Amino acid sequence: DVKVTQSSRYLVKRTGEKVFLECVQDMDHENMFWYRQDPGLGLRLIYFSYDVKMKEKGDIPEGYSVSREKKERFSLILESASTNQTSMYLCASSPEDGNYGYTFGSGTRLTVV
Amino acid sequence: GENVEQHPSTLSVQEGDSAVIKCTYSDSASNYFPWYKQELGKRPQLIIDIRSNVGEKKDQRIAVTLNKTAKHFSLHITETQPEDSAVYFCAATLPGAGSYQLTFGKGTKLSVIP
Repeated sequence: DVKVTQSSRYLVKRTGEKVFLECVQDMDHENMFWYRQDPGLGLRLIYFSYDVKMKEKGDIPEGYSVSREKKERFSLILESASTNQTSMYLCASSPEDGNYGYTFGSGTRLTVV
Repeated sequence: GENVEQHPSTLSVQEGDSAVIKCTYSDSASNYFPWYKQELGKRPQLIIDIRSNVGEKKDQRIAVTLNKTAKHFSLHITETQPEDSAVYFCAATLPGAGSYQLTFGKGTKLSVIP
């Protein structure tokens, strides 16, 4: 009963490539989030969206952009991948009233070579 | 914005003992405090949460306490089992128009030794 689906589990990309990470949720949640997870640094918020076509910068937005054309889908875009963007990327969603926690996707392990 | 500090970063306990993980937050307006468990190679999953109008909440072997005055909250696991081994994250959220962002602590790696 997977409710937040990330399109790829593992990705290997070359430096300079444009990379798309896709996330789809089937819970009709308003809020969607992209985090990156690195050892010793925990979960850091890249971007989030609280409505279709709306986006807000998180703590570390540099080098990333996002797109939310439909309520169920939130895409993270690396405009020109760099080796320091090698990381685990986690998508999450929550209802409009966020006091019910997040549901996370399984994550995408991105390696930039 | 909110800042969440989590301690310890690693914790080893003998099976059957208790484990306690502590978090502090910076903004007194924060009103929701979830805890997530992430097993190796898996997604973080919500295990328990507490709201600012409650001081303690328990669910079987896990409990969370909240001290609003001191701005800290703790996760307590009793009678630990090997399957409790995982990374645990605390989080806090500020209410705000349009969305509710969670700010996470850096995580605690719990190892339960059989």
